[in-house]
Amino acid sequence: KNQVEQSPQSLIILEGKNCTLQCNYTVSPFSNLRWYKQDTGRGPVSLTIMTFSENTKSNGRYTATLDADTKQSSLHITASQLSDSASYICVVRLQTGANNLFFGTGTRLTVIP
Amino acid sequence: DTGVSQDPRHKITKRGQNVTFRCDPISEHNRLYWYRQTLGQGPEFLTYFQNEAQLEKSRLLSDRFSAERPKGSFSTLEIQRTEQGDSAMYLCASSTGANVLTFGAGSRLTVL
Repeated sequence: KNQVEQSPQSLIILEGKNCTLQCNYTVSPFSNLRWYKQDTGRGPVSLTIMTFSENTKSNGRYTATLDADTKQSSLHITASQLSDSASYICVVRLQTGANNLFFGTGTRLTVIP
Repeated sequence: DTGVSQDPRHKITKRGQNVTFRCDPISEHNRLYWYRQTLGQGPEFLTYFQNEAQLEKSRLLSDRFSAERPKGSFSTLEIQRTEQGDSAMYLCASSTGANVLTFGAGSRLTVL
């Protein structure tokens, strides 16, 4: 069964600290994996996209990793800011099919001053 | 073109009423998706269009739900005889081919 699981479900950290969010998936055949940031009451916005051959990709203070063998991905946020408070959703795409996106339930990050 | 636009952003309605949401995708995007999202959950797929053709519908899309994309540009999602369980955020997204989805800000529905 194709599934995407994220952990932790929620996380509270102090401003300036680092954190790591996890995504495990069983989706196959795998095409790519994306991390989205979703602010409260807004639509998700893409942060990074990882293909099978990519292990690490950075976007500013966000660094995503992918281990296609263990089917795990992480999103590391460095020097967190109050504006990082949001839900972070992991989305895995199958190689085939029209409706081929599988969404995790997200990690709710709260950065406190 | 500033991205995917959704209207209205918020809708409060009484149970049993009909509601319609509109989505204007990025103009060059031929694919359009509707998702439903409840609090603390990831988006759930509802339906997908390629140009004007509705290619796939989720079983979540009961007969009270209908979506159209008449000219392959904007799309509407109508919910008839709304129920309290329909309360959710309705997200529209568009893309070209296998490219990343661009989401709209969503339309939040509250059914009293």
